Amino acid sequence: AQSVTQLDSHVSVSEGTPVLLRCNYSSSYSPSLFWYVQHPNKGLQLLLKYTSAATLVKGINGFEAEFKKSETSFHLTKPSAHMSDAAEYFCVVSDSSGGGADGLTFGKGTHLIIQP
Amino acid sequence: DVKVTQSSRYLVKRTGEKVFLECVQDMDHENMFWYRQDPGLGLRLIYFSYDVKMKEKGDIPEGYSVSREKKERFSLILESASTNQTSMYLCASRWGENTGELFFGEGSRLTVL
Repeated sequence: AQSVTQLDSHVSVSEGTPVLLRCNYSSSYSPSLFWYVQHPNKGLQLLLKYTSAATLVKGINGFEAEFKKSETSFHLTKPSAHMSDAAEYFCVVSDSSGGGADGLTFGKGTHLIIQP
Repeated sequence: DVKVTQSSRYLVKRTGEKVFLECVQDMDHENMFWYRQDPGLGLRLIYFSYDVKMKEKGDIPEGYSVSREKKERFSLILESASTNQTSMYLCASRWGENTGELFFGEGSRLTVL
């Protein structure tokens, strides 16, 4: 069985300061992990994914995430927030044990607010 | 560019009406999905199709059906719309493996009065 917990439903940061969005997972197998971003009234877009290669994964728009097996975490970071980063972020886990029929388990999302 | 198109961005329907939500992808993807998104609940899988005419129920299939007669098109049907089906509906597609990227449409916001 697999599960995902996004530890914060809302995160607020000032423009130009670092962003940290936290994600913990549980998985019976070697998981693949994803972060997706959803801007208002849009579909989700892939930011980055981990599939058992390098543990530090770089994504689009300056985001990166580090896979830490010992901590079962896959936190998303960015050194300097921009107003355009305001959006909903979803952590997703996939492993061969399932999740749903799609093989995926979605976190409930973190709403990122950027203060000017 | 990769594209998943949901034909209706906003719909308002009355209770008991039959509703069709259409989704078309231009990437020759095998897998297509319908999700429902509600505040605080994240995305929940309604139905999944892994090939033409093939489908599997997701987490919340009750009150919904689907049709996939052609590879590029996946339709979600609400046989008799109810107010608790007011929601954002997201269509997605991907290649066949679970580690693949999902490509999403922009969503269809349905209001049932």
